[in-house]
Amino acid sequence: QVTLKESGPGILQPSQTLSLTCSFSGFSLSTSGICVSWIRQPSGKGLEWLATICWEDSKGYNPSLKNRLTISKDTSNNQAFLKITSVDTADTAIYYCARRALVGNFDYWGQGVMVTVSS
Amino acid sequence: DVVLTQTPPTLLATIGQSVSISCRSSQSLLHSNGNTYLNWLLQRTGQSPQPLIYLVSKLESGVPNRFSGSGSGTDFTLKISGVEAEDLGVYYCMQFTHYPLTFGSGTKLEIK
Repeated sequence: QVTLKESGPGILQPSQTLSLTCSFSGFSLSTSGICVSWIRQPSGKGLEWLATICWEDSKGYNPSLKNRLTISKDTSNNQAFLKITSVDTADTAIYYCARRALVGNFDYWGQGVMVTVSS
Repeated sequence: DVVLTQTPPTLLATIGQSVSISCRSSQSLLHSNGNTYLNWLLQRTGQSPQPLIYLVSKLESGVPNRFSGSGSGTDFTLKISGVEAEDLGVYYCMQFTHYPLTFGSGTKLEIK
């Protein structure tokens, strides 16, 4: 059974660095063709892709935030991570991680974690 | 970036009615490898998105076959043949043929 679960600080102040963890089970990020992506959703708004990391350690970032994003993984512990530097109130959102399978389907999503940036 | 335009923004349907949602892309979504990376998701209120369809027309495991996807190039359609109460929510198309991955703005399905 595949599951993903996001975790984060809940609330942080502007200019701080946001660190998110996606802990997953039921698959390995060392399996060929498997990737994990981060997507966020401000309250009442649509979905925005942030970054993806794949089994062979390739990475992709949304250019609109690229300089602020770092994605990484710990294959041994079945985790993927996302850091966003210099956060501001516009980064307040629900953050999801999702698995992308070989054939291109984002077939499993986490429940999401709410992050609020506030002074 | 590829812009995905979904219409209509809101859809009001009765139980049993068949409905369609359009997703129009600003560029062809046909990849050089021959695949078209256009997926559909449903997000129920308060829940995370759940996958419905991938590669334009392939049904995700466990998704009822009243859902179907079609299209090519820049024009895609999600059809629900016989809406059920559990289908209400916001439907999104998404593409990752082109970098960066982008989503449509969503179509909210409401039940009369």
